[in-house]
Parts: sequence; C-alpha cells; structure tokens
Amino acid sequence: KAGVTQTPRYLIKTRGQQVTLSCSPISGHRSVSWYQQTPGQGLQFLFEYFSETQRNKGNFPGRFSGRQFSNSRSEMNVSTLELGDSALYLCASSLELAAQGIQYFGAGTRLSVL
Amino acid sequence: AQTVTQSQPEMSVQEAETVTLSCTYDTSENNYYLFWYKQPPSRQMILVIRQEAYKQQNATENRFSVNFQKAAKSFSLKISDSQLGDTAMYFCAFSLPSSGTYKYIFGTGTRLKVLA
Repeated sequence: KAGVTQTPRYLIKTRGQQVTLSCSPISGHRSVSWYQQTPGQGLQFLFEYFSETQRNKGNFPGRFSGRQFSNSRSEMNVSTLELGDSALYLCASSLELAAQGIQYFGAGTRLSVL
Repeated sequence: AQTVTQSQPEMSVQEAETVTLSCTYDTSENNYYLFWYKQPPSRQMILVIRQEAYKQQNATENRFSVNFQKAAKSFSLKISDSQLGDTAMYFCAFSLPSSGTYKYIFGTGTRLKVLA
C-alpha cells in the first residue's frame, strides 16, 4: 500500500504570492490533517478534513485554507504569503478522525518565502 | 486545556546504551491516547508506540517501551540497545478520541543523537 504522498517537496515563493500544496492519503483513509512545522514550535495544527468536510481548524489566519476531494486527496492553499510562512508543511492521513487513532505522515513540503 | 511538554530539547546516547525521553501532559479527561512519533532526518514522521490511557500495562514495541504514570501524567519513552538509526526528532503526542473538536496535540520534540 502506498504511503502518504505530498507534492511538491520543495517550493520557493516570494512575499505576496499564493501557493497550493497537495496531499494524497493512504488508500481508504478518510481523514487528512495539515500541520505547520517550524524550529522550536513543534507541530502546529492547521485543519482536518474528513469526507470532504472541514471538521476542525487550528488558530491560523484566514489566508490558510484547504479542501478535500471525493477521492480523499487534499489541497492546502496559502494566499498573500508572508516571510513567517516559511516552514515544513506536513499532512497526515488516518482511517477515521485523527483524534481517534494513528496518523500516517507524508514527507512534507518545504516552503521558503523570500 | 490540554498540553504536552517535552522538557529535553536535545539528548545524546552512546550506541547500544539505553536512553529515556521525558514527556508530561495535562488533561482533566480520563479516556485518551498517548503516542511517540519519530521524525528521522529524512523528515517522514512515523509512529513508534501508542498507549491507551485505560490500559495499565505499559506498551512495548521491540526495543521501545513506555513508562506510563497516569496519576503523575507522565509518559516517558525508553529506547534500549540504541542504534544509529534511532537518531531522530521524537515527538510526544496526545489525543482525545471522544472529542467532537480536534484534540491531537504534539509536544515540541526532543532531538536524539545516537553516537557511534
């Protein structure tokens, strides 16, 4: 079974641009969660999608948005990029809601904002 | 509010020796899960071990075991016979399965280096 796939692996953008990151979960998994990882901050939860619906959202500004498609693939969009958005963005999939069990992580997308 | 604290930002251990990583958490709930995740330098995070709070027996997974002290809200990870491949960032995490809102909280991590 294929693991969680995130594309692209690396991105370089400039301030003010927007970016879209993609996540393909493990086959059969219905939940996809997104995290921002920065040095010293650990993993900060962005949002969780389950069966195409956003179920939970973290404390991030509205510039961060996402969606999930009928095949469970998910995209995350960040508009009007700021320098502070530079981070590793991880997605994780799980069979049911993330809080109910184990999450399986992708390798991440490293976003650099110049 | 639930919190997870990892008080050791960095640790090192000699190959073949034993090391213990600390984690404390705070919750007023009774039913929850605790996890240790490992993130090697290649960045893909993987589950090391999981503990259900209602189980008194400490979880073990080969060389990895936990010391779960529910009353003290402590959940430490012991790695026996450390190997070079254990070099990674280790995250302690907590989840509330019965919660209608998102409750999956990670600590800030402990960077473990295994020395040859």
